[in-house]
Amino acid sequence: GQNIDQPTEMTATEGAIVQINCTYQTSGFNGLFWYQQHAGEAPTFLSYNVLDGLEEKGRFSSFLSRSKGYSYLLLKELQMKDSASYLCAVRDSNYQLIWGAGTKLIIKP
Amino acid sequence: DAMVIQNPRYQVTQFGKPVTLSCSQTLNHNVMYWYQQKSSQAPKLLFHYYDKDFNNEADTPDNFQSRRPNTSFCFLDIRSPGLGDAAMYLCATSTRTDDYEQYFGPGTRLTVT
Repeated sequence: GQNIDQPTEMTATEGAIVQINCTYQTSGFNGLFWYQQHAGEAPTFLSYNVLDGLEEKGRFSSFLSRSKGYSYLLLKELQMKDSASYLCAVRDSNYQLIWGAGTKLIIKP
Repeated sequence: DAMVIQNPRYQVTQFGKPVTLSCSQTLNHNVMYWYQQKSSQAPKLLFHYYDKDFNNEADTPDNFQSRRPNTSFCFLDIRSPGLGDAAMYLCATSTRTDDYEQYFGPGTRLTVT
């Protein structure tokens, strides 16, 4: 079956750095996505990786290793507004998005 | 601003009473998706349209139907809601199925009493 694993919850301190990991097993691979979802709101797109390596976008970076079926989202200079769930999703060989259940990130002052 | 709009934001219905959720988009995207998301769970794709071509996920219950009368609008009909259908329903769009980004509406939170 197809599976996306990410930690259920993480806690970090304002101003610090946090890394949210995602491992996947899917039938084929056509890109990996990270979305941010605040409580009660819709997901918003953060990043997309299709080749191995690091993609940097401001305070957020996303890394992909296709051979390891692994990605991480790195958040720097954490702000209270970064408290949200972070969803990892992989597009399989049929271009279907397979979603993880999300990692709830709690930021403490 | 171009966007994806869902109405209503909150919907309460009674057990077994049909309900329709609506989604509209001003992005002129070809593809529209309906997802069901329960608390602390991954979004679950119910179906999607590529233009007028309807694609139903294999495990989407028959209780769920969809209509797309034109490019801008898409409806989700739940014929006989059960307590287990209480969830957030998310509409999303993309230019095509291999587009790297889906644009989500704010969602409709459905409560079944």
